This record gives sequence, C-alpha cells and structure tokens, in this order.
Amino acid sequence: GQQLNQSPQSMFIQEGEDVSMNCTSSSIFNTWLWYKQDPGEGPVLLIALYKAGELTSNGRLTAQFGITRKDSFLNISASIPSDVGIYFCAGSQGAQKLVFGQGTRLTINP
Amino acid sequence: DSGVTQTPKHLITATGQRVTLRCSPRSGDLSVYWYQQSLDQGLQFLIQYYNGEERAKGNILERFSAQQFPDLHSELNLSSLELGDSALYFCASSPTGDPNYGYTFGSGTRLTVV
Repeated sequence: GQQLNQSPQSMFIQEGEDVSMNCTSSSIFNTWLWYKQDPGEGPVLLIALYKAGELTSNGRLTAQFGITRKDSFLNISASIPSDVGIYFCAGSQGAQKLVFGQGTRLTINP
Repeated sequence: DSGVTQTPKHLITATGQRVTLRCSPRSGDLSVYWYQQSLDQGLQFLIQYYNGEERAKGNILERFSAQQFPDLHSELNLSSLELGDSALYFCASSPTGDPNYGYTFGSGTRLTVV
C-alpha cells in the first residue's frame, strides 16, 4: 500500500530552537494533515492542507503542501517544552482511509 | 476531551486470553477506525466501519475481529493473545468516512500481555 516516509525519526533540540520535519511519498496526495501525539494520549489534528503550494499556520506551527503533491513540511518556531511529543503526517488520496507516516519524536532539552 | 471514548484505559492479561476493547465515537460521527501502535512504532491501520458496515481492512490479524453496533459504538476483539500484541490500541471517528477532514482519536487502550 501507500507509504509516507517521515524524517527525521527523532529530534533532540534545545528550548527556543526552530524545528523542521518533512513527509514524502512516491504517490500524489490530495490532502495532507499533521497530527501531534502527547505521551499517553491519542493524536490530535494540528493542521490540514488541501492545495498544492498551500502554506498554513497555527500559532508557532507552519505547514506546507508541497508543489509536487508528494510531500509536506512542518515547522515549529521557538520551541517550548510542551512541544514534546510525536508528530505524524497523514495523507489522503480521496480513498477511504488516511495513510500515516511513522512519526517524528521531538525531545526538548530545557 | 476529544469526544471519542475508549474503555478500558489499561488492560493486563495473560497469553492465550481474549479481550474486548470498546469505543464510543464522537456524537454524530458514523465512521470508526481502529489503529494499533506498538512501542516506538507508527499507527498501523486495522479496520474501518461506517454506519455498521465494514468499509476497509488493513493489517488486521485473523485472531482479531471488530464490529460496529446500531448505536454506532464499536468493539475490537483480540483472541489467543500473544506477547507481541501488547500495544496501544486507538479508536478514531469521523462524521462521514471522508478522510480529507481528518479523524478524531480517543485516548487509547494500553494492552499488556504477560
């Protein structure tokens, strides 16, 4: 089936640093979604992208729908301790279910 | 509170046993999805139901089964449990089954098989 490749798999940063992560696929997607999973909780939707080239922000988070429609990017500016967690990308091709990436685990040193 | 309720929150059981995980979707949502998340792994799609009917199947083992009832709650049954079945099991729901608006996840059931 379709696969989404997320990178990096994990990140260890200092508080206040900016974060960049991405998600790529060999297939075209119509929708890209970014989720965050706090420890011990279910994933929560952060940002949804519906058009190639679209750039959408949610507070300190900014995500982009790649021009080729095969990738998406998530940036977090000025990281804070509560940003810790696992970030998942997910894509839809208009089919019946979302395809999820393997996640990027973010750890922040205070 | 996401509106998706999963019970129990934690479950410890022995190998060879059978368990049932329960999910109540968000009010008004017709579609339910089950995902498995093993330690340090991503979300593995198991199965989807829409308004009581199975709609899509993922990497669900034959020892696992699920159903969605007329009141739209769903149950995931895991039998002949093995140590490797230890994982977080998430239920998610969506209004129509259209994936383009995302799913709402519950807090999960943590299953430990000993």
